[in-house]
Amino acid sequence: LAKTTQPISMDSYEGQEVNITCSHNNIATNDYITWYQQFPSQGPRFIIQGYKTKVTNEVASLFIPADRKSSTLSLPRVSLSDTAVYYCLVGRSGAGSYQLTFGKGTKLSVIP
Amino acid sequence: NAGVTQTPKFQVLKTGQSMTLQCAQDMNHEYMSWYRQDPGMGLRLIHYSVGAGITDQGEVPNGYNVSRSTTEDFPLRLLSAAPSQTSVYFCASSFSGGDTDTQYFGPGTRLTVL
Repeated sequence: LAKTTQPISMDSYEGQEVNITCSHNNIATNDYITWYQQFPSQGPRFIIQGYKTKVTNEVASLFIPADRKSSTLSLPRVSLSDTAVYYCLVGRSGAGSYQLTFGKGTKLSVIP
Repeated sequence: NAGVTQTPKFQVLKTGQSMTLQCAQDMNHEYMSWYRQDPGMGLRLIHYSVGAGITDQGEVPNGYNVSRSTTEDFPLRLLSAAPSQTSVYFCASSFSGGDTDTQYFGPGTRLTVL
């Protein structure tokens, strides 16, 4: 299973762009990179997923370099409501297998 | 759709008691799983199921049993509760197979074992 490494915590002021980097040196060819967000007392919620290059949706962007050994979640103009723990996952499920592993995540604190 | 539902929301047990945590989903997902989350930690996979009648162990399966008799339900049984099982338990489901599965999580069950 691909292991991921993320910063334990980050602080940011409201309105700033936040970039959270995840390292996954032993990512396999078939692995996807997925990010989840978790608020206190709630289950994680899917944010974004990608395989290579750049993916963007209405809430975030995901940058993946060509070697895929790392990825960066970018949150534009964060607000107080973005204070949460963000998890980077590497793996795949399907075809009768289940290979997803959650790390400890990055606790993002947005400061007024 | 209600999504993934879990009952109860809170539970207090005494050491040695048994109980079942319920999980149901109405999205016709084939894949379901149980995680536990301890304070300050990420989620650890307990058991998972890739379809009705098929279950397998995750990272921390000891002390827990599961079964999957229907697509909708995936109960987690604690056989003899121990204080080390005090945790928040999350159930999740995802669509059948595919490399881009998105997991949908329930609201969690907070369990305390005295």
